Amino acid sequence: DQQVKQNSPSLSVQEGRISILNCDYTNSMFDYFLWYKKYPAEGPTFLISISSIKDKNEDGRFTVFLNKSAKHLSLHIVPSQPGDSAVYFCAASVPGNNRKLIWGLGTSLAVNP
Amino acid sequence: GAGVSQSPSNKVTEKGKDVELRCDPISGHTALYWYRQSLGQGLEFLIYFQGNSAPDKSGLPSDRFSAERTGGSVSTLTIQRTQQEDSAVYLCASSLDYQETQYFGPGTRLLVL
Repeated sequence: DQQVKQNSPSLSVQEGRISILNCDYTNSMFDYFLWYKKYPAEGPTFLISISSIKDKNEDGRFTVFLNKSAKHLSLHIVPSQPGDSAVYFCAASVPGNNRKLIWGLGTSLAVNP
Repeated sequence: GAGVSQSPSNKVTEKGKDVELRCDPISGHTALYWYRQSLGQGLEFLIYFQGNSAPDKSGLPSDRFSAERTGGSVSTLTIQRTQQEDSAVYLCASSLDYQETQYFGPGTRLLVL
């Protein structure tokens, strides 16, 4: 049973436009959400995170929005660049003493020049 | 500074053999995690080490899997009597503390023939 769902396996966007990656979750105990980016043959790289007490966090071109009532978060990349082409994973963790991450299956983003 | 390193980067083995995968976390990081990603699947938590505390082994899929962390630094994941379904990318991550961002190594790609 997937507790973290990324329903779009792939997304294609034109350079300069906005990329919106979506993530839904089922466990209301999650209190911390993260986005990781992964290039082929590399490990995931941390991108941005958000605590459940917030609804928005922004870092440069990347903004994460959290809608707790809908159990939905999204990652906005604007403007999108070809170097952003990668697989993006949404992950969540519950309070506790290990903070293990529960992961979505990822969305492959292609930014076309 | 140096990131998380893992070795070997690739491992091909025959069914029934034992394998050892190594992880060198970022210096000073007290928390260490092992995950694996099977083909077409999301990342799956395996085991977590935090300082001198007993590890959280709740994600290990069978008793053929074990891990240790010596001296609070390097960790070794051992898979005994490997099976074809063990084929996956095994990822190690470390964080300064369990509440902090996890940083990933490049992974070990294991193929069991």
